[in-house]
Amino acid sequence: EAGVAQSPRYKIIEKRQSVAFWCNPISGHATLYWYQQILGQGPKLLIQFQNNGVVDDSQLPKDRFSAERLKGVDSTLKIQPAKLEDSAVYLCASSLGGTRNEKLFFGSGTQLSVL
Amino acid sequence: GENVEQHPSTLSVQEGDSAVIKCTYSDSASNYFPWYKQELGKRPQLIIDIRSNVGEKKDQRIAVTLNKTAKHFSLHITETQPEDSAVYFCAAPDSNSGYALNFGKGTSLLVTP
Repeated sequence: EAGVAQSPRYKIIEKRQSVAFWCNPISGHATLYWYQQILGQGPKLLIQFQNNGVVDDSQLPKDRFSAERLKGVDSTLKIQPAKLEDSAVYLCASSLGGTRNEKLFFGSGTQLSVL
Repeated sequence: GENVEQHPSTLSVQEGDSAVIKCTYSDSASNYFPWYKQELGKRPQLIIDIRSNVGEKKDQRIAVTLNKTAKHFSLHITETQPEDSAVYFCAAPDSNSGYALNFGKGTSLLVTP
């Protein structure tokens, strides 16, 4: 089966610029997650979608980060304006969404460098 | 929310030895405990998981044990091989955030020949 697709693979921007990441989950997966992974740390949840609704975005810095999943399939994550501390790998993951205890499938991530 | 603590942060073993990584969690409602392996520059991949109705699960050279009373679970790798070198993450669901997985900070395992 096709995996979780993410683009771009790498992005370099200057602070205060804007950037957007795209994710296409595995076909049929209702739940989609965005995680931020800073170098040397574990993935940190930013936002969780169930179909096109937000389940949890309590750790999303809403003053600069936004995310949407309008049609319940692919999703975009935006940062505006970017700060130096946003440098990280942004991982998208998906799961079937049928139960609580489900395997997460991760994409390859987008590595963001903010200069 | 769920707080997942993982130890050690780095672990170096000789090929053939065993490696043990331990995690503790805080959310009593957690009932699913996966372990992910992340090789350098690659995506995290699930290697084993355990649900709260069992105390141990094995899959060839890897095993996970769970102590719900003490709220800790461990990953055991036996007969380690150089290709086991990677960063390993434990995780547990947060009942306050739609049961999304909270991850530990990771253990960098190095297996030397």
